[in-house]
Amino acid sequence: KAGVTQTPRYLIKTRGQQVTLSCSPISGHRSVSWYQQTPGQGLQFLFEYFSETQRNKGNFPGRFSGRQFSNSRSEMNVSTLELGDSALYLCASSFGPGAYQPQHFGDGTRLSIL
Amino acid sequence: GDSVTQMEGPVTLSEEAFLTINCTYTATGYPSLFWYVQYPGEGLQLLLKATKADDKGSNKGFEATYRKETTSFHLEKGSVQVSDSAVYFCALSDRTTGNQFYFGTGTSLTVIP
Repeated sequence: KAGVTQTPRYLIKTRGQQVTLSCSPISGHRSVSWYQQTPGQGLQFLFEYFSETQRNKGNFPGRFSGRQFSNSRSEMNVSTLELGDSALYLCASSFGPGAYQPQHFGDGTRLSIL
Repeated sequence: GDSVTQMEGPVTLSEEAFLTINCTYTATGYPSLFWYVQYPGEGLQLLLKATKADDKGSNKGFEATYRKETTSFHLEKGSVQVSDSAVYFCALSDRTTGNQFYFGTGTSLTVIP
């Protein structure tokens, strides 16, 4: 069974640009969450989607947005990139948004802003 | 609000030593608790979980018991191996707050031969 797939694995952008990251969940999983991981802040929750609807949103500016498609694949977009957006972005999927449902993570997209 | 606090790292142990990584939590309701492990260059992998008080999660020789009275979920392993070197994250998911996951800051473990 294929795991969570994130593309691309590495990305280099410059300040002011925008970027789109992609996540394909495990087959049958309908919930997708996104996290930003940095050495200083650890894992910070960005947002969660279930059945194409955003269910939860973390404390990030509006430059960070996402969406989920009918096949449960999800994309995350960051506009007007800043140096501080350099991080590992992790996507996680689960069957549904239940508290008992563990999240399964992809290997992440490492975004570097020059 | 909900939160997870885990011991600061890094932790360095000799092979076959006993490991404890402390984790305490604050939650509005009755959360499910998890330990995840992250190996270099990879995403997080679920290590073990517990969904109610006094439950013990276990996997690969690691154990953690859900202690409601002390709001703790400490990770233990009796004899660590070099291959256990990784970063360990404690996490909770609380139905009361929409099942959003909250992660601790991670504890880096290095096991030396």
